[in-house]
Amino acid sequence: GQQLNQSPQSMFIQEGEDVSMNCTSSSIFNTWLWYKQDPGEGPVLLIALYKAGELTSNGRLTAQFGITRKDSFLNISASIPSDVGIYFCAGQLYYGGSQGNLIFGKGTKLSVKP
Amino acid sequence: DGGITQSPKYLFRKEGQNVTLSCEQNLNHDAMYWYRQDPGQGLRLIYYSQIVNDFQKGDIAEGYSVSREKKESFPLTVTSAQKNPTAFYLCASTLEGRWNSEAFFGQGTRLTVV
Repeated sequence: GQQLNQSPQSMFIQEGEDVSMNCTSSSIFNTWLWYKQDPGEGPVLLIALYKAGELTSNGRLTAQFGITRKDSFLNISASIPSDVGIYFCAGQLYYGGSQGNLIFGKGTKLSVKP
Repeated sequence: DGGITQSPKYLFRKEGQNVTLSCEQNLNHDAMYWYRQDPGQGLRLIYYSQIVNDFQKGDIAEGYSVSREKKESFPLTVTSAQKNPTAFYLCASTLEGRWNSEAFFGQGTRLTVV
């Protein structure tokens, strides 16, 4: 089946640092979504991307839809403690007239440096 | 307040038992989805429903069953045929039968086999 490769799997952040994570696919997607999940909670949508090359910001978060339609990245600037959690990318294919189901990456876990 | 509600938050099941997870939304969304999440994994689609009285299998439907008798409700039954049911279960809904920026997740149900 379809797979998304999300990296890094985990990372430690120090307050104030910038963070970057990305997702790649062997397939072309027409939608990329980025979610954040806190422990024991459901994912919350952060940014949605619908066009190749699209660059969208949401506060300190910036995400881009890769020009090849096979990748996307998420950047967090000037990280703060509440940024910790698991970030998921999700991609959606378009099958001849209808949207396919979302495919999720395995997540990037953000933790605070001890 | 509009939203999507899952209950219970925690559920314990004995071997051989069927259990039903509840998912209710008051967003007037047409489509509803059930996902399973295992540690370190992305979300995997179990079942989805785009309209009342209709539903389709996702990638890992074996051992699960659903019903969609009302627009606002999409319960998931984990049957005794599901050999490894311990997981975090997430319900989601979208305005139409496609993922878009109006996608909402519930808070999740953690199921544990005892």
